[in-house]
Amino acid sequence: NAGVTQTPKFRVLKTGQSMTLLCAQDMNHEYMYWYRQDPGMGLRLIHYSVGEGTTAKGEVPDGYNVSRLKKQNFLLGLESAAPSQTSVYFCASSPAGRGDRDNEQFFGPGTRLTVL
Amino acid sequence: LAKTTQPISMDSYEGQEVNITCSHNNIATNDYITWYQQFPSQGPRFIIQGYKTKVTNEVASLFIPADRKSSTLSLPRVSLSDTAVYYCLVGDMDNQGGKLIFGQGTELSVKP
Repeated sequence: NAGVTQTPKFRVLKTGQSMTLLCAQDMNHEYMYWYRQDPGMGLRLIHYSVGEGTTAKGEVPDGYNVSRLKKQNFLLGLESAAPSQTSVYFCASSPAGRGDRDNEQFFGPGTRLTVL
Repeated sequence: LAKTTQPISMDSYEGQEVNITCSHNNIATNDYITWYQQFPSQGPRFIIQGYKTKVTNEVASLFIPADRKSSTLSLPRVSLSDTAVYYCLVGDMDNQGGKLIFGQGTELSVKP
């Protein structure tokens, strides 16, 4: 049981390049999330999904797109990378309706992205 | 979504009990109070969740007064390995369309 995995772990891009970050979970969770974390700051929600084929915007969605074609995968795309998107990106997943652990999310190890 | 306020940083020494208080004045009736822990270079990890009174698990205790406008995370006898950022969240993911908002957190530094 690998939990939540993220690919790649590190990436350096030039301004204007595109890339896709992959998140996979093997826990059959309904909900999946993409966050970004900048130095000295908390996590900010980019996009999330409450089920296969559905996505929704979070706090900071501009410049990113997502897709959830399969329940276990959640892709985050940067169409034209900018230096402001330099950050650590975390993916998370969660089952729905767990009662006393309703707000429990399981996080991946993160992807460190640098845009030059 | 309810806004939370917690100290930006705290210092402690090994073996002490640490209490981190979070204010959430506009908490809604259906909201839970949840705490996460994040070590450097790792994703956050769920610690504890409660609705009212007191909740205790193997890691921490969560104290919630009757008015639920604040909560206190208590870490007994901390060690150096408890140095981390602690996030207080208020809400109910299932009632918020699956959405959960993290604030800036409290950076706890445990010294020998």
